[in-house]
Amino acid sequence: DVKVTQSSRYLVKRTGEKVFLECVQDMDHENMFWYRQDPGLGLRLIYFSYDVKMKEKGDIPEGYSVSREKKERFSLILESASTNQTSMYLCATFQGASGTGELFFGEGSRLTVL
Amino acid sequence: AQTVTQSQPEMSVQEAETVTLSCTYDTSESDYYLFWYKQPPSRQMILVIRQEAYKQQNATENRFSVNFQKAAKSFSLKISDSQLGDAAMYFCAYRKIQGAQKLVFGQGTRLTINP
Repeated sequence: DVKVTQSSRYLVKRTGEKVFLECVQDMDHENMFWYRQDPGLGLRLIYFSYDVKMKEKGDIPEGYSVSREKKERFSLILESASTNQTSMYLCATFQGASGTGELFFGEGSRLTVL
Repeated sequence: AQTVTQSQPEMSVQEAETVTLSCTYDTSESDYYLFWYKQPPSRQMILVIRQEAYKQQNATENRFSVNFQKAAKSFSLKISDSQLGDAAMYFCAYRKIQGAQKLVFGQGTRLTINP
């Protein structure tokens, strides 16, 4: 089974702090994603990566950056956290163009910015 | 740009009954994937069912089936013999086959099962 592990389930940070959300997968998948989940808005794509050191902006990249130095790890960075970034963050992976398109998700990181 | 719309924020059903969750989408592509994902409370999201647009036959997985209407761009999920463990947020999602690999999700429907 694919395992996608997010480093923190719950975080509380203060406005202006730098925040790192880590995601690690164990199935050698090429593609990794960071989504943000808010009530009534569903999941919105922040950034995705299709290879090491490669990244592409999603639909809502403002205020976020990402890092993918190794294939198994994809980090989401909030350079200066703001209260409107309080949300659930979901990491996901899938195999690539030859795959069936199924995403495998981590358990999520619920971030509160005070 | 592709969009996915779930017009039912909440649904409820009696245990053992059948419920249908609605989803519509907008795309100019002729071939794509559609998905239903389930997110139980405080647990990770998992795939419920997948449909390839080029297949006319509706996908089924045990008690879960879809009604895929390509011309109408509609993709509803039917849950038969509802069980308490079916209580969750359900998300409809779309993905192109060619090009960018990202999935586009709907707003979600919260399903409650009444015992």
